[in-house]
Amino acid sequence: DSGVTQTPKHLITATGQRVTLRCSPRSGDLSVYWYQQSLDQGLQFLIQYYNGEERAKGNILERFSAQQFPDLHSELNLSSLELGDSALYFCASSLSGKLDTQYFGPGTRLTVL
Amino acid sequence: AQSVTQLDSHVSVSEGTPVLLRCNYSSSYSPSLFWYVQHPNKGLQLLLKYTSAATLVKGINGFEAEFKKSETSFHLTKPSAHMSDAAEYFCVVNGRSGYALNFGKGTSLLVTP
Repeated sequence: DSGVTQTPKHLITATGQRVTLRCSPRSGDLSVYWYQQSLDQGLQFLIQYYNGEERAKGNILERFSAQQFPDLHSELNLSSLELGDSALYFCASSLSGKLDTQYFGPGTRLTVL
Repeated sequence: AQSVTQLDSHVSVSEGTPVLLRCNYSSSYSPSLFWYVQHPNKGLQLLLKYTSAATLVKGINGFEAEFKKSETSFHLTKPSAHMSDAAEYFCVVNGRSGYALNFGKGTSLLVTP
């Protein structure tokens, strides 16, 4: 158990809908990262927040957005969902940021029908 | 760009025999390299991390990896495979910014009795 929690574990929704994935980092960690794991793209970095501020951005679609709240939990919002958004979404956390070891949550499996 | 290439998509070994999972990296500067493991329907667990302190890195569960700059390799080894080692293994390098992680495509390890 890494100490990173993600809810929900599974999410099934329809195309065009909007969903919110939630992540709570390990106690004491200030950075949160979001990754997407799909069969065709593999594991890809989406975005990172540090103490409430966006720190780094990867291959995140404009339809996706994230934020980190004062209590350091983070939410990833996915809108106008498409079939291709079906994937496993991981959250990770680390103590501060650069070159820290990242600890991963169990993931949220999103299925878009 | 920082990237890794995992040379085998599938590796099959017999229980009790050595494990070798191969990874080559590409980096314009001294990288931080990681191996993560993902068991079926589980999150990602850090096996070991290289950050230039020592070229031979020992990790959890008897795994180790050797950083070889001349060969740009970071292969993962274990002297004796256990059935519980069957999983997906990812070689990872830190991104240019130092924040994101760039994952290889993964190597699926099968351990047969």
